[in-house]
Amino acid sequence: NAGVTQTPKFQVLKTGQSMTLQCAQDMNHEYMSWYRQDPGMGLRLIHYSVGAGITDQGEVPNGYNVSRSTTEDFPLRLLSAAPSQTSVYFCASSIGTPNREQYFGPGTRLTVT
Amino acid sequence: DQQVKQNSPSLSVQEGRISILNCDYTNSMFDYFLWYKKYPAEGPTFLISISSIKDKNEDGRFTVFLNKSAKHLSLHIVPSQPGDSAVYFCAASAGGGTSYGKLTFGQGTILTVHP
Repeated sequence: NAGVTQTPKFQVLKTGQSMTLQCAQDMNHEYMSWYRQDPGMGLRLIHYSVGAGITDQGEVPNGYNVSRSTTEDFPLRLLSAAPSQTSVYFCASSIGTPNREQYFGPGTRLTVT
Repeated sequence: DQQVKQNSPSLSVQEGRISILNCDYTNSMFDYFLWYKKYPAEGPTFLISISSIKDKNEDGRFTVFLNKSAKHLSLHIVPSQPGDSAVYFCAASAGGGTSYGKLTFGQGTILTVHP
């Protein structure tokens, strides 16, 4: 099993550009989530999904869109990049219950200039 | 409003001694708690968890203690090893329905274990 994979590993965008961060898992997990990590802030939840076709907002959803058309994939779209979106982005998946541990991908480091 | 707090940004410990990392929470709906370890340029990896129906959970060198009345949990690492040097995150989950997809994290504590 590859677990949770993310592409790209690094990305530099100019303000106003759009892009999609890819996330895939091969563990047949129903739950998938996107987090961002900023210095001194821990990880903050952006969006999450409880199954194909079902998504919901997390703590910091503004400027991001998600969709979940398959169990395996959960892409994160930046509509118009801003310097405030410079961060490290992590995708995670889990079975949800009874054990709620989430398994994380290696991350995407995004810089917006 | 930070619902999960790790008030110690860093901790330095000698190899072989005990490392104690602390975490406080404010949301009474949290009923499941987790600790993650993170190395630079990698994703967080799950270490150990505890349900609110327990007050202790042990896995090898790692033990998590939960004090519900104080809304406090701690992670004990005994004995500490240089390979344990990493950032440790405390996380919490409120159960039920779609909430299983959501974890709330603390800010992290940098643990350094000196040989």
